[in-house]
Amino acid sequence: GQNIDQPTEMTATEGAIVQINCTYQTSGFNGLFWYQQHAGEAPTFLSYNVLDGLEEKGRFSSFLSRSKGYSYLLLKELQMKDSASYLCAVMDSNYQLIWGAGTKLIIKP
Amino acid sequence: EPEVTQTPSHQVTQMGQEVILRCVPISNHLYFYWYRQILGQKVEFLVSFYNNEISEKSEIFDDQFSVERPDGSNFTLKIRSTKLEDSAMYFCASSEVGDRTPNYGYTFGSGTRLTVV
Repeated sequence: GQNIDQPTEMTATEGAIVQINCTYQTSGFNGLFWYQQHAGEAPTFLSYNVLDGLEEKGRFSSFLSRSKGYSYLLLKELQMKDSASYLCAVMDSNYQLIWGAGTKLIIKP
Repeated sequence: EPEVTQTPSHQVTQMGQEVILRCVPISNHLYFYWYRQILGQKVEFLVSFYNNEISEKSEIFDDQFSVERPDGSNFTLKIRSTKLEDSAMYFCASSEVGDRTPNYGYTFGSGTRLTVV
């Protein structure tokens, strides 16, 4: 079966750095997405990785290792507004998005 | 910035009734999707739509569900006879170049919260 695993919840301090991990087992791979979702709102696109390595975009970076079926989202200089759920999603061989359950990130002052 | 618009934002309906959820995708996008998210659970794929027909659908998208693009701008999801377990947030999404070049991700609408009582 297809599976995306990420921690259920993480807590971090304002101004700090946090890394949210995602491991996946899917039938085929056509890229991995990270989305941010505030409670009651729609997911918003953060990043897309299809090749191994690190993609940096401002305070957010995303890393992929296809051989390990592993990705992480790195958030730097955390702000209170970063409190949200972070969803990892993998596009499988049928070009369908398989979603993780999301990691709820709590930022404390 | 272009948006995907969904209406209504919240709909309450009685079990067994039909509901139609409406979406206006971004105007130059060609691929349209419906997802749902039961409270506290994963986002689940329902259906994708391209060139006026369904391109993919999930096991959830059974005969109770249908999609339509009645005119050049709207994209609708119909649930014929709602069940309690259909209560969820329903998100519409669109993408410019479709499944096979997903670099830009999908743009999601703000969702319709469906409550079946």
